[in-house]
Amino acid sequence: EAAVTQSPRSKVAVTGGKVTLSCHQTNNHDYMYWYRQDTGHGLRLIHYSYVADSTEKGDIPDGYKASRPSQENFSLILELASLSQTAVYFCASSDELRSQNTLYFGAGTRLSVL
Amino acid sequence: QQKVQQSPESLIVPEGGMASLNCTSSDRNVDYFWWYRQHSGKSPKMLMSIFSNGEKEEGRFTVHLNKASLHTSLHIRDSQPSDSALYLCAASMNYGSSGNKLIFGIGTLLSVKP
Repeated sequence: EAAVTQSPRSKVAVTGGKVTLSCHQTNNHDYMYWYRQDTGHGLRLIHYSYVADSTEKGDIPDGYKASRPSQENFSLILELASLSQTAVYFCASSDELRSQNTLYFGAGTRLSVL
Repeated sequence: QQKVQQSPESLIVPEGGMASLNCTSSDRNVDYFWWYRQHSGKSPKMLMSIFSNGEKEEGRFTVHLNKASLHTSLHIRDSQPSDSALYLCAASMNYGSSGNKLIFGIGTLLSVKP
């Protein structure tokens, strides 16, 4: 079974503070993704990476940075957290999306910014 | 504008009934389509994928794809209360040197009433 582990599982942060969400995968996958989920918006792609030491912007990258120091680890960084960043964040990994490959999601991180 | 549109936003069907969900992409860079299912409080899991024109059946679930119109649909026959979940359509888009990215629709919330 493919494994993607997110930490922390939940976090309360103050407005203007720095938040780091971590993701670790043991699937030997090249691709890793960060999505946020809000009611009425489905899953929206923030950043993704298909190789270590390189990241790509997704559809809503503003206010977020990403870091991929190794194939296994992918972090999402909120330098100055804002109220609008309250959401559930999912990390996922996959092989290249060329055939039957699927995304494997972590359990999610519930972030509340106060 | 959402690159992946789903309809309806919510759907109620009686137990044993047929549920039909639709998904269309407006982006000609789409390579493939997937359907994911997300039960309340859980992370999404891949339900079915389809890459070629036509139909694919797995048990009570049938997926159709029309690549020319970039339209896919998911049909669930003999719906069960355990099928109640958020159904997410996803499309992979290839932007050349930036690799593939998977874009999700808002989802269809299915409720199966006993």
